[in-house]
Amino acid sequence: DAGVIQSPRHEVTEMGQEVTLRCKPISGHNSLFWYRQTMMRGLELLIYFNNNVPIDDSGMPEDRFSAKMPNASFSTLKIQPSEPRDSAVYFCASSETSATITDTQYFGPGTRLTVL
Amino acid sequence: GNSVTQMEGPVTLSEEAFLTINCTYTATGYPSLFWYVQYPGEGLQLLLKATKADDKGSNKGFEATYRKETTSFHLEKGSVQVSDSAVYFCALRRLSNTGNQFYFGTGTSLTVIP
Repeated sequence: DAGVIQSPRHEVTEMGQEVTLRCKPISGHNSLFWYRQTMMRGLELLIYFNNNVPIDDSGMPEDRFSAKMPNASFSTLKIQPSEPRDSAVYFCASSETSATITDTQYFGPGTRLTVL
Repeated sequence: GNSVTQMEGPVTLSEEAFLTINCTYTATGYPSLFWYVQYPGEGLQLLLKATKADDKGSNKGFEATYRKETTSFHLEKGSVQVSDSAVYFCALRRLSNTGNQFYFGTGTSLTVIP
């Protein structure tokens, strides 16, 4: 398996522009997570999907952030409009949810976002 | 609530030194416990895990034992190498009626010098 795939790997944009980050989870995994990592705040969970349904979006900073999962193999995280304080590395992770399986999260390589 | 607390870094050790990174947790029910490692410029990778009390997870010379009585999952390695330099995250996973809930510690940066 190719693992969790994220694109782009790097994104540089100007303040006010829309940014879309993409994630393809591992095939067969039914849980998907979006995280943000910064030096100041560490690793923060933004939103979590189970079977394509958003379960917990309490970590989404504000209305400028939105996430979708239209099907089991694709998710997007959109920031509109972007601001310099959104600069961070954004990770996508997936896992298999089951009461009987230890559900390790598998992380993608991350998207490094810089908002100028 | 559920949370993970791990020792603050950064930690700097000489090659072949003994490593301990402390991790304690607060959780309802019976969580699974994990250590993840993040090498520079990469995503987090699973290092080891334990699913129940007294289980020992081990990988690449690292070990951690799930201690329910002390709610701890300390990471240890007997002899670190320069290649172990990375950030280490302790995490717990709790299965609820809505699915997985993962909680990560703040990460501990380790630098091993030759």
